Amino acid sequence: GQNIDQPTEMTATEGAIVQINCTYQTSGFNGLFWYQQHAGEAPTFLSYNVLDGLEEKGRFSSFLSRSKGYSYLLLKELQMKDSASYLCAVRDDNYGQNFVFGPGTRLSVLP
Amino acid sequence: DAMVIQNPRYQVTQFGKPVTLSCSQTLNHNVMYWYQQKSSQAPKLLFHYYDKDFNNEADTPDNFQSRRPNTSFCFLDIRSPGLGDAAMYLCATSRDQVQGWQETQYFGPGTRLLVL
Repeated sequence: GQNIDQPTEMTATEGAIVQINCTYQTSGFNGLFWYQQHAGEAPTFLSYNVLDGLEEKGRFSSFLSRSKGYSYLLLKELQMKDSASYLCAVRDDNYGQNFVFGPGTRLSVLP
Repeated sequence: DAMVIQNPRYQVTQFGKPVTLSCSQTLNHNVMYWYQQKSSQAPKLLFHYYDKDFNNEADTPDNFQSRRPNTSFCFLDIRSPGLGDAAMYLCATSRDQVQGWQETQYFGPGTRLLVL
């Protein structure tokens, strides 16, 4: 089966840096995705990793270590609008290449 | 703009009264998904279509059915909604999933279902 774990909640200050971790166990790993979801809205795509290493996209970066089953999303220069849930999702070849979502991390950015 | 559209955004139904949620897409993606998301939980995949091939998740209740009459449209039918079915229902699409390609899912805005 699949298992994805993330911290439930995090709090950070405007302008700071925050790292949201995700650990996963899956048998047919084929990519890890991070999504942002504001309350009452649909998830929106942030980043994708399939090879080990860091992918940087502006204020957001995502890291993957396949051997450790570990990823993190790094948010720099936090803004109030970054307050949202951040979902880690793994695509699994043994699950019809479907996505398995983690429980999400609710980030609160304080002034 | 190409997008995934869900109607209605909010749906109120009565206990046991059938309800249909709609999803359409202008992305011409061949895969469409329906997810159920309850408050503070991860989206849970109910089923997906790969073109016309229907794939049901093992733990999706029989109360939930789906139709995909063509590439652009997909419907979620809840035959006898219970109080526990109140949730956000998300439709998503993606292209063919090729090994190593960044084929993300594109989500619609969701339909929030309330069961009275």
